[in-house]
Amino acid sequence: GAVVSQHPSWVICKSGTSVKIECRSLDFQATTMFWYRQFPKQSLMLMATSNEGSKATYEQGVEKDKFLINHASLTLSTLTVTSAHPEDSSFYICSARPGQGAGGTNEKLFFGSGTQLSVL
Amino acid sequence: RKEVEQDPGPFNVPEGATVAFNCTYSNSASQSFFWYRQDCRKEPKLLMSVYSSGNEDGRFTAQLNRASQYISLLIRDSKLSDSATYLCVVNPWASGTYKYIFGTGTRLKVLA
Repeated sequence: GAVVSQHPSWVICKSGTSVKIECRSLDFQATTMFWYRQFPKQSLMLMATSNEGSKATYEQGVEKDKFLINHASLTLSTLTVTSAHPEDSSFYICSARPGQGAGGTNEKLFFGSGTQLSVL
Repeated sequence: RKEVEQDPGPFNVPEGATVAFNCTYSNSASQSFFWYRQDCRKEPKLLMSVYSSGNEDGRFTAQLNRASQYISLLIRDSKLSDSATYLCVVNPWASGTYKYIFGTGTRLKVLA
């Protein structure tokens, strides 16, 4: 099956620093990648949809200047948490959708292993 | 109303029991439906897609009711290893974009 690699798996940083999380599709091209955030005992909340070669689409309430997304190639998307603060501590997960174009409404998502961010 | 709603549980069931979860969705135009399983602090893993005709995979059966806008997951002969959170996922397929919406998840605990 499709493999999505995400790293780092966990990161601890000081308040005010920036953290970059990488998400790679290893055996397929992903025109679209999604970034989710999950707080303890809550579900995954979609933060943004990342499209290769264009600007990301952010969900309501997500600060685009704080969560910078870059999708420069068909296999790599990055999320940078800028000037991280303790309230940004969370589990961040990326996912990718194989396939291109507007077809395949039943396409599945494949997830990275997640990044646990702890901001001190 | 939330786009995707689930009973958070937990559902505590003995080994061997049959348990069913429901998930309702608000967008009648939704096209794709899935059940994912998530273990604590792990990424979600696809359990099964949900088709209009219903589908079965071993002990797991998923069904879709478009008229009432819900999907269901039935687990027969529960195993201890089935203990996890089960996430309902819906793709509203709005304006040709993919936007997978997750329910809050239903926690299942299978007891020995």
